[in-house]
Amino acid sequence: EPEVTQTPSHQVTQMGQEVILRCVPISNHLYFYWYRQILGQKVEFLVSFYNNEISEKSEIFDDQFSVERPDGSNFTLKIRSTKLEDSAMYFCASSESSGLGGQETQYFGPGTRLLVL
Amino acid sequence: AQSVTQLDSHVSVSEGTPVLLRCNYSSSYSPSLFWYVQHPNKGLQLLLKYTSAATLVKGINGFEAEFKKSETSFHLTKPSAHMSDAAEYFCVVSAGGSQGNLIFGKGTKLSVKP
Repeated sequence: EPEVTQTPSHQVTQMGQEVILRCVPISNHLYFYWYRQILGQKVEFLVSFYNNEISEKSEIFDDQFSVERPDGSNFTLKIRSTKLEDSAMYFCASSESSGLGGQETQYFGPGTRLLVL
Repeated sequence: AQSVTQLDSHVSVSEGTPVLLRCNYSSSYSPSLFWYVQHPNKGLQLLLKYTSAATLVKGINGFEAEFKKSETSFHLTKPSAHMSDAAEYFCVVSAGGSQGNLIFGKGTKLSVKP
């Protein structure tokens, strides 16, 4: 069964460093998403991406964040200058479409646990 | 704005007994609702979803949920718990309209005792 994959599974970085989190969505999917889950808190939406541009973003997704689909398979989240509060589990998801009212199922990857020291 | 409230942060049941995980939602229109499960060190797996068809939705691993508009609830149930059901369960609502992003509840951790 096709699945979303993410690399790395764990990343430790120093505050102020840039990190790139990588995702390979399911191959026929067109919509891509990033979410994050700070330890002990809710899973929060960051950004959605369609047709090589951002569809929506939350207030969390500030200028320090960017997303890119550099080739036909990868979808990346870049954090330019990491802060301590960026420590979280980051989930990538993909769906075939967004569906009317968001009915379409989003399939999630296993996550990347980011620790900023 | 859409939101979900999971009423219990932790539920503990004995193996073979019923499971009930409670979820209430708030939505200004007919919502799409989902239950996802997260096993330790694993990603989020879809259990089931409601998208305005049948109000009783059957999912994987024997789970089901009933959409009750009058009560704004979407509780998750299973007749008989198995040890492998121990995990964290998230009730999720779609932001809706033209937006595809999902809004998660805080999660309910299910423990299953032998």
